[in-house]
Amino acid sequence: GAGVSQSPSNKVTEKGKDVELRCDPISGHTALYWYRQRLGQGLEFLIYFQGNSAPDKSGLPSDRFSAERTGESVSTLTIQRTQQEDSAVYLCASSQTSGGAHEQFFGPGTRLTVL
Amino acid sequence: AQSVTQPDIHITVSEGASLELRCNYSYGATPYLFWYVQSPGQGLQLLLKYFSGDTLVQGIKGFEAEFKRSQSSFNLRKPSVHWSDAAEYFCAVGAGQTGANNLFFGTGTRLTVIP
Repeated sequence: GAGVSQSPSNKVTEKGKDVELRCDPISGHTALYWYRQRLGQGLEFLIYFQGNSAPDKSGLPSDRFSAERTGESVSTLTIQRTQQEDSAVYLCASSQTSGGAHEQFFGPGTRLTVL
Repeated sequence: AQSVTQPDIHITVSEGASLELRCNYSYGATPYLFWYVQSPGQGLQLLLKYFSGDTLVQGIKGFEAEFKRSQSSFNLRKPSVHWSDAAEYFCAVGAGQTGANNLFFGTGTRLTVIP
């Protein structure tokens, strides 16, 4: 597609429920990143995928968070047993390849509200 | 480890006035530096980036930034601000070839433009 897309754009859920967030990267981009942006904060790195390599999960805040990616396509971020502190905008980005030199293209984000 | 500091949380300027947003980074080697802009309800858009070479880089929308190694800074400038520049601005640092694959973001500077 023309850009990175994410769905849903907004998600309201109750504490304790599981949620799944979806990211469609730009076609041909091998690297995919998930970030979290809390209100008034910068972006926090969550997880990174590069091709078929093992993902870099170093930013996941707890074992309630997980993510999958099928090949070089869609990724889903799953949050189990959501807590109020999980409320944030979750941003996905993709780039042509890995490494700090390569521009990351961001999606519009999913705003998650946990009641 | 990499880190980014944006000391100004909120800046207000008059339309037509000049602008400088500050960014300081911490990284042991030559960093890759980025400025992103986030308008309300929009994803992050890359304004400009520095990888190597000329330390003054030009970006989109009339923005420029200067890499100063001695000051560990990468300040963003614009000679004449337009009302449409009102947004949140994020500075980010990416590691080199041997580093992590994610970007480290500052906490952002919110720009308000008054007529």
